[in-house]
Amino acid sequence: NAGVTQTPKFRVLKTGQSMTLLCAQDMNHEYMYWYRQDPGMGLRLIHYSVGEGTTAKGEVPDGYNVSRLKKQNFLLGLESAAPSQTSVYFCASRGTGVPKLFFGSGTQLSVL
Amino acid sequence: DQQVKQNSPSLSVQEGRISILNCDYTNSMFDYFLWYKKYPAEGPTFLISISSIKDKNEDGRFTVFLNKSAKHLSLHIVPSQPGDSAVYFCAASDNYGQNFVFGPGTRLSVLP
Repeated sequence: NAGVTQTPKFRVLKTGQSMTLLCAQDMNHEYMYWYRQDPGMGLRLIHYSVGEGTTAKGEVPDGYNVSRLKKQNFLLGLESAAPSQTSVYFCASRGTGVPKLFFGSGTQLSVL
Repeated sequence: DQQVKQNSPSLSVQEGRISILNCDYTNSMFDYFLWYKKYPAEGPTFLISISSIKDKNEDGRFTVFLNKSAKHLSLHIVPSQPGDSAVYFCAASDNYGQNFVFGPGTRLSVLP
């Protein structure tokens, strides 16, 4: 019963460093999403994918890139981290039936 | 401008009483609404949802009411329990769930 798994759970970066967050789901879901959560802002959509090989921009895509090379994986990349990207990042997935998101447990990222 | 608003950042309720969490939206194209519950250091978990063709949906102690003309929905928890203490997010989607827009959340505290 893994569901949606995010790695790593915590990470500290220096400004300008790069990193990749990995999201894996074992529910054979078509749709996958990356959100960031900031105080008072709720969950804001960064990028999403409606199927293997597809990606699309969400509300706050600047500074991030994504890839969906395999159906079960959705990667979020930061090429040059900035302090404004300090946040909690959540991955989610859903199937093609009732619109319901399943979330991972999150990645706490701090950029110094 | 936030499309989904939760104007109460926090709410305190006595155990056994009713908790009412409110949510307003601005986009008339939203056709599906969800409530998520989030505990600290965990990802959001689905609680209950409602389609725009209904005005009420009930699941155990949880009931969601939708007033389309007022663009308002509410979550009722009866009776409230200490384990209900969490942050509650309201979410809305259009196009039957390709994208989801979240509100900023309301922190509910149920006091024993």
